[in-house]
Amino acid sequence: GENVEQHPSTLSVQEGDSAVIKCTYSDSASNYFPWYKQELGKRPQLIIDIRSNVGEKKDQRIAVTLNKTAKHFSLHITETQPEDSAVYFCAASKKTGGFKTIFGAGTRLFVKA
Amino acid sequence: DAGVIQSPRHEVTEMGQEVTLRCKPISGHDYLFWYRQTMMRGLELLIYFNNNVPIDDSGMPEDRFSAKMPNASFSTLKIQPSEPRDSAVYFCASSSRGWKGGYTFGSGTRLTVV
Repeated sequence: GENVEQHPSTLSVQEGDSAVIKCTYSDSASNYFPWYKQELGKRPQLIIDIRSNVGEKKDQRIAVTLNKTAKHFSLHITETQPEDSAVYFCAASKKTGGFKTIFGAGTRLFVKA
Repeated sequence: DAGVIQSPRHEVTEMGQEVTLRCKPISGHDYLFWYRQTMMRGLELLIYFNNNVPIDDSGMPEDRFSAKMPNASFSTLKIQPSEPRDSAVYFCASSSRGWKGGYTFGSGTRLTVV
């Protein structure tokens, strides 16, 4: 069935280093890929997204890349700060009659000061 | 804009009781989603509405769960009777772009069934 796999499940980096989270999706019809950040005890919040007609998108310290052929997409955070510590979720969305969005299982990022 | 508003924030109830969760989406958003989040299963879509009409309820666990959207500014998720395995955080989210855009989530309702 449709699936989004996310790796790693936990990631620990030193402040100032980069962090990379990777996702793969199974349904080639997916064409919208959002990323959400969820701080402890709070709601998921959209931080960046990318559509299938774009290979890369950047917003300050975060960037997302998409390889449709390989069905991979990744989140890159540069110059990490302690406030980047959170759980990050990727998702893949497509239109099928209605539409369907599948979330990855999440990556818990720890940024050590 | 106050964002997506959910109530209550926390709910503790005894097994067998009826539970009603409430959601007010962002004005002008025509999609509304109910998600359940647990450590074991992550974020699961329960049901979503478009223009107040339920479109996909395939994620609703069983007949004990029901959802309504009587108008564009209000939705409820009801569990009757509740069971301990229903304990989770329930999020409501809304969107103006459906599959083409991101969602705005509410603060969630943490449900504990004892």
